Amino acid sequence: DARVTQTPRHKVTEMGQEVTMRCQPILGHNTVFWYRQTMMQGLELLAYFRNRAPLDDSGMPKDRFSAEMPDATLATLKIQPSEPRDSAVYFCASGFWSPSEQFFGPGTRLTVL
Amino acid sequence: GQQVMQIPQYQHVQEGEDFTTYCNSSTTLSNIQWYKQRPGGHPVFLIQLVKSGEVKKQKRLTFQFGEAKKNSSLHITATQTTDVGTYFCAPSDTGTASKLTFGTGTRLQVTL
Repeated sequence: DARVTQTPRHKVTEMGQEVTMRCQPILGHNTVFWYRQTMMQGLELLAYFRNRAPLDDSGMPKDRFSAEMPDATLATLKIQPSEPRDSAVYFCASGFWSPSEQFFGPGTRLTVL
Repeated sequence: GQQVMQIPQYQHVQEGEDFTTYCNSSTTLSNIQWYKQRPGGHPVFLIQLVKSGEVKKQKRLTFQFGEAKKNSSLHITATQTTDVGTYFCAPSDTGTASKLTFGTGTRLQVTL
């Protein structure tokens, strides 16, 4: 059955390194979301796209984070340079534009040392 | 933006007991979704509520949307160990319907 996929599932890196996380949304979905989950902040929306166009990235630290959708089957989230406070689980979700169910991927667990 | 608080933060029940989590907003909501996240897993959609006073049931789960559309609740009757996880409410932004603000979550632990 259709599901959102994310790679890598786990990433350990050192402070200052670039990190790229990838997401393949469910085919046909026109809205893609990036969330970050930590114990302290909970589940936060970082950015989202509609029909591949970025709509809102106000939840994202602008100086180091960037999100793109090079095509309809791929969304990327980059952190450059990474910092220890970026350690979290990053989820991608996809759905349709109207308020409806969001389908989450399994997440990327990022640890920045 | 809107702030959403869930209570309690954590609840530990014995199997067979009932459980309720409440979601409260400072602003009127257009609609609200509920998600469940198992330990180590990802959020999974449970339901969406749209109308004032709406009540929806899924087997042992009952979801309610307040008359003023400022609060919502999830009630589980006769909990089972499979109910373990964190339950999140997620209202959508009144300006951008697809944008959700996730609540703080209620972690449910069920023991035999």
